[in-house]
Amino acid sequence: DVKVTQSSRYLVKRTGEKVFLECVQDMDHENMFWYRQDPGLGLRLIYFSYDVKMKEKGDIPEGYSVSREKKERFSLILESASTNQTSMYLCASTLGQSRSPLHFGNGTRLTVT
Amino acid sequence: AQTVTQSQPEMSVQEAETVTLSCTYDTSESDYYLFWYKQPPSRQMILVIRQEAYKQQNATENRFSVNFQKAAKSFSLKISDSQLGDAAMYFCAFNTNAGKSTFGDGTTLTVKP
Repeated sequence: DVKVTQSSRYLVKRTGEKVFLECVQDMDHENMFWYRQDPGLGLRLIYFSYDVKMKEKGDIPEGYSVSREKKERFSLILESASTNQTSMYLCASTLGQSRSPLHFGNGTRLTVT
Repeated sequence: AQTVTQSQPEMSVQEAETVTLSCTYDTSESDYYLFWYKQPPSRQMILVIRQEAYKQQNATENRFSVNFQKAAKSFSLKISDSQLGDAAMYFCAFNTNAGKSTFGDGTTLTVKP
């Protein structure tokens, strides 16, 4: 079974702090994704990566950056956290095929105060 | 751009009864994949069922089945013999050949004992 692990389940940060959300998958998946989940808005794609050191912007990349130095790890970075980034963040991975479903982590609920 | 619409923010069903969750999508592509994911309260999002657009036969997984109407761009999920454990938020998702997923806003399903 694919395991996608997000380093924190709950996180509380102050406005202006630099925040790192870490995600690790153990099935050698090529593709990794960061989504943001907000009530009534579904899942919105922030960034994704098809390979090591490669990244592409999703639908809402503003205020975020990512890093993928190793195939199994995909980090989401909030350079200067703001209150409107309070949300649930979901990491997911998949094989590099459109027929492959996403495998999700447990999510990180981030609160920025 | 692809869009996915789930018109029912909330649904409820009596235990052992059948419920259908609606999903429509919009795309100009002819080859794609559709998914239903389940997110139980405070738990990980998991795949429920997958449908290949080139297949006319509707996908079935135990008590879960889909009604896929390609011309109408409709992809509904039917849950038969509903169980308390089916209570969750359900997301419809669409995959392009590039491997990116677009999600609907979700439907919260309540199962009444």
